[in-house]
Amino acid sequence: DGGITQSPKYLFRKEGQNVTLSCEQNLNHDAMYWYRQDPGQGLRLIYYSQIVNDFQKGDIAEGYSVSREKKESFPLTVTSAQKNPTAFYLCASSPSLAGSYEQYFGPGTRLTVT
Amino acid sequence: SQQGEEDPQALSIQEGENATMNCSYKTSINNLQWYRQNSGRGLVHLILIRSNEREKHSGRLRVTLDTSKKSSSLLITASRAADTASYFCATDALFFNNNDMRFGAGTRLTVKP
Repeated sequence: DGGITQSPKYLFRKEGQNVTLSCEQNLNHDAMYWYRQDPGQGLRLIYYSQIVNDFQKGDIAEGYSVSREKKESFPLTVTSAQKNPTAFYLCASSPSLAGSYEQYFGPGTRLTVT
Repeated sequence: SQQGEEDPQALSIQEGENATMNCSYKTSINNLQWYRQNSGRGLVHLILIRSNEREKHSGRLRVTLDTSKKSSSLLITASRAADTASYFCATDALFFNNNDMRFGAGTRLTVKP
């Protein structure tokens, strides 16, 4: 099965701890993205990567970090510097530039920080 | 910052009726996409319409684009209870980085059986 997976589905952490969210795709897509969604809101772009070993900040990158060491993997770390980390996190991929291609989304990870 | 804004925020209809959702945006675009999201799930792509297109169809879905008014509409005909979901438009601004997709806040559609 081709697709994009995120794990875990639910994640609970204590305030002050860093946490890493996994995102893997076997679609052979070059571009990958991380979005944050808050209740009743649209998606806000955190980071994106167009190619291995390269990534760019989105609108709300502060308090987050990413890596793209392999084409199929784009993990997101929510650091203790992120002031309001509780949210639904969505990973996506596309063959190339986002505007011209559809994005394929993972099932999401719901992070709760207390 | 959000580029697209959907209207209405919420829509409730009976099964069999048509549902129309609108999306307005601020800057000129290359492409506009519509996505669907079931509660607590990822988004699923529905339709992509390019700035030089005016209308596209896919099954029971019809999307129109009016670049002079900077708006798009998504029509779902003969709705079913399974169409209950949130619907988002996403745009990429002309002349900006093509990876800079912007999603609206969505329209929450409820189809009552």
